[in-house]
Amino acid sequence: EVQLVESGGGVVRPGGSLRLSCAASGFTFDDYGMSWVRQAPGKGLEWVSGINWNGGSTGYADSVKGRFTISRDNAKNSLYLQMNSLRAEDTALYHCARVYSNSGLIDPWGQGTLVTVSS
Amino acid sequence: QSALTQPASVSGSPGQSITISCTGTSSDVGSYNLVSWYQQHPGKAPKLMIYEVSKRPSGVSNRFSGSKSGNTASLTISGLQAEDEADYYCCSYAGSSLYVFGTGTKVTVL
Repeated sequence: EVQLVESGGGVVRPGGSLRLSCAASGFTFDDYGMSWVRQAPGKGLEWVSGINWNGGSTGYADSVKGRFTISRDNAKNSLYLQMNSLRAEDTALYHCARVYSNSGLIDPWGQGTLVTVSS
Repeated sequence: QSALTQPASVSGSPGQSITISCTGTSSDVGSYNLVSWYQQHPGKAPKLMIYEVSKRPSGVSNRFSGSKSGNTASLTISGLQAEDEADYYCCSYAGSSLYVFGTGTKVTVL
């Protein structure tokens, strides 16, 4: 069974940093791209960042470019999101998801880890 | 990177058909046949319903279908059922390893 389990969320002050992790299992991790997608409370989905199978290509939403860094460790079947200079508007549930790059589909999704940016 | 535009809400009676539109630009929806649709029930992770504009993953009911014309993609749910009540989001590849989601549509079964 494919599983994606996020961790690392929490409460952080504006301007602070946080590192999210996603542990993948049940599939050959380095065969797939991966993405982070967030959902602010009561709001819609927002694609945040993506990375290809070997980490050689990454992409970021304009809203996080220059502040967030996506990375992966294929030996550990893990995906990461380093979040710096956090703002109140970054408060959201952050989902890790597998990406089929040739099909543009995102599936499955983890249950998410909650990030709250508040003073 | 602007969000794709979806109607905020769509409703229908059981057994009816509804269509949700998803309007983007020539840089995303109009350029790639890589539009997908996701269903999200409250408190749950999104579930893939359609990919590559009109393909259905195994296990998804054939009551769900997708199409695209120009910069607008559409999701049609036929034979509406109570369990279809949920939020629906479209998503398009936008080039250069970027993706963009729609604003989301709340489907209500009357």
